[in-house]
This record gives sequence, structure tokens and C-alpha cells, in this order.
Amino acid sequence: ILNVEQSPQSLHVQEGDSTNFTCSFPSSNFYALHWYRWETAKSPEALFVMTLNGDEKKKGRISATLNTKEGYSYLYIKGSQPEDSATYLCAFYNAGNMLTFGGGTRLMVKP
Amino acid sequence: SQTIHQWPATLVQPVGSPLSLECTVEGTSNPNLYWYRQAAGRGLQLLFYSVGIGQISSEVPQNLSASRPQDRQFILSSKKLLLSDSGFYLCAWSALGRSGANVLTFGAGSRLTVL
Repeated sequence: ILNVEQSPQSLHVQEGDSTNFTCSFPSSNFYALHWYRWETAKSPEALFVMTLNGDEKKKGRISATLNTKEGYSYLYIKGSQPEDSATYLCAFYNAGNMLTFGGGTRLMVKP
Repeated sequence: SQTIHQWPATLVQPVGSPLSLECTVEGTSNPNLYWYRQAAGRGLQLLFYSVGIGQISSEVPQNLSASRPQDRQFILSSKKLLLSDSGFYLCAWSALGRSGANVLTFGAGSRLTVL
């Protein structure tokens, strides 16, 4: 059983604050790390797929970094807005397996 | 463009009754297909995946089963539901391949309540 941990489980921030959360995963046999954003009453949507150690991806105010040697990825949101409120899921893919999801970080941005 | 349809959106069933959730994908061929479940307070758990017609792999032993009668159709079933089957079920597809770099595209989900 692969252990993919996300922290914190939930996070409340004020509009305009920058924030970040963590995904940790096994560092062996790494193939890819995915980040998804899941808004209430919608389907999860892919944000990033990262495959190389040191990868950094950016989409608007959201960015992510990857460290495969130590087994973690950070997701950063700059200047949080209420529409950023969602659950952010990471998922780990290693050789011979399907995607294993973490429990998610639920972000709530207060206006 | 590709679209994924999943139904029904909500379902309330008594314990011991059968279940059928259906998922279809349009606009692509030979997709990998998946059934995930989110139990209350937990992340997404992979239940079944399929790389082709009639090819089903189960990740978690349970009283659920899956079938893929057509290339773009994936069905989740149970003969007798348990209370513990309650949860939110998501169907997803990805492009064929096992590189891990293919993103999942999810359906709208089905909320099952077993009473």
C-alpha cells in the first residue's frame, strides 16, 4: 500500500494571503506526481503533472514544485481569492501502479 | 473534444439491493477507465481500472464489480449493497498508456446513500 500524505487537512486563509501545502510520497520508483483541484459540486480537474525532480509548474497564481529524492511536492497559491476555495488533491504514480491519491487539503478563502 | 458522462447523480438504496452506475466517454478511443470512491472524510480510493474491453483490474476486495462491455462504457455494479458502500463514486478516463503522465478527467460523480 502506497502512502501519500497531504498536509494540512484543511486551511482557512484571508483573501489576499499567500499559502502553500504539502504532498509527501514514497521516493522510490517515481514516475509522476499529479495535482488536482476539486471544487464543491464539481469534478476534480487536473492542475499539474510533474515527472522530473526539480520540476516547477505554474498556472496563473498557482504553482507547484517537486522533489522526488526526498518525496515531496509543494503547491503554492499567491494572493488567495475566494474562488480558490476547493480541495486540492495530489496523486502519485510509480512503476507498476495506478495513481494513488492523498487525502486532500481543503482550502477555504474568506473574503 | 472529449466528454465523460456519469449517472445517476444521486442514488438512495436500501441495504441488500443491487447497484448499477454507468459511465461513458465520448471523443476518444481506447481510453483507460477508472472507478474511484471517496468515503466520508477520506481521499479518493481506486476501485477498478480497465485498459480495454473486458479487461478489469480490481484494487480493493469488496462486494462491488465492474464491467466494460464496450470501449467507452464502464459500469460499476453490486448484487447486494452494504451500508459501507455509501459514498461518492467518480468515473474517470485517461489516454491509453502507463507512463503516469496522462491526466485523469473525471465525471460529475454519483452520490450513493445506502440505508
